[in-house]
Amino acid sequence: EDQVTQSPEALRLQEGESSSLNCSYTVSGLRGLFWYRQDPGKGPEFLFTLYSAGEEKEKERLKATLTKKESFLHITAPKPEDSATYLCAVLRGGNQFYFGTGTSLTVIP
Amino acid sequence: GAVVSQHPSRVICKSGTSVKIECRSLDFQATTMFWYRQFPKQSLMLMATSNEGSKATYEQGVEKDKFLINHASLTLSTLTVTSAHPEDSSFYICSATQGANTEAFFGQGTRLTVV
Repeated sequence: EDQVTQSPEALRLQEGESSSLNCSYTVSGLRGLFWYRQDPGKGPEFLFTLYSAGEEKEKERLKATLTKKESFLHITAPKPEDSATYLCAVLRGGNQFYFGTGTSLTVIP
Repeated sequence: GAVVSQHPSRVICKSGTSVKIECRSLDFQATTMFWYRQFPKQSLMLMATSNEGSKATYEQGVEKDKFLINHASLTLSTLTVTSAHPEDSSFYICSATQGANTEAFFGQGTRLTVV
């Protein structure tokens, strides 16, 4: 059975305290892994797409990496405006996205 | 990035009535659109996938007669919640992809409250 699991469920960081979020998956026919940011009451905002193990992508304070079983979203020196829920999603055949449970990040000034 | 617009952003309806939610791709042709629902503090659950001009494919456990999906054009898909009940209250989100492009763009979501 296909599964996408994110950890931790919630994370509180001091401003400037770097950390990583995890997304582990067991999906047959993976076509890509996506990271999204979601603010309360809003739709997800696209961050990254990773297609193959070993791939890395960066954007400002965020860096996403991918292995054959999991992906990490590294946050370097986070700021309060980085507070949000971070979702990972896997893309299967038929362009179907399946989302993980999300990590709620709070960055304290 | 491309823009997907959802309307309305919030709706309150009486139990037993039907509600229609629209999802439009504003600057691209959406060959595939997806509908999700999200309960508080939970992740997005895929409800159905629709390709333009075809019947929607529903995920297991989603009642196709209750959640009617229409994708009549390359820029518009609608989700109609029929005979809504309080347990249908949720946050509904659509997303769209274009052709073989795997990047999905999301609408702003619709908060449905059934009273």
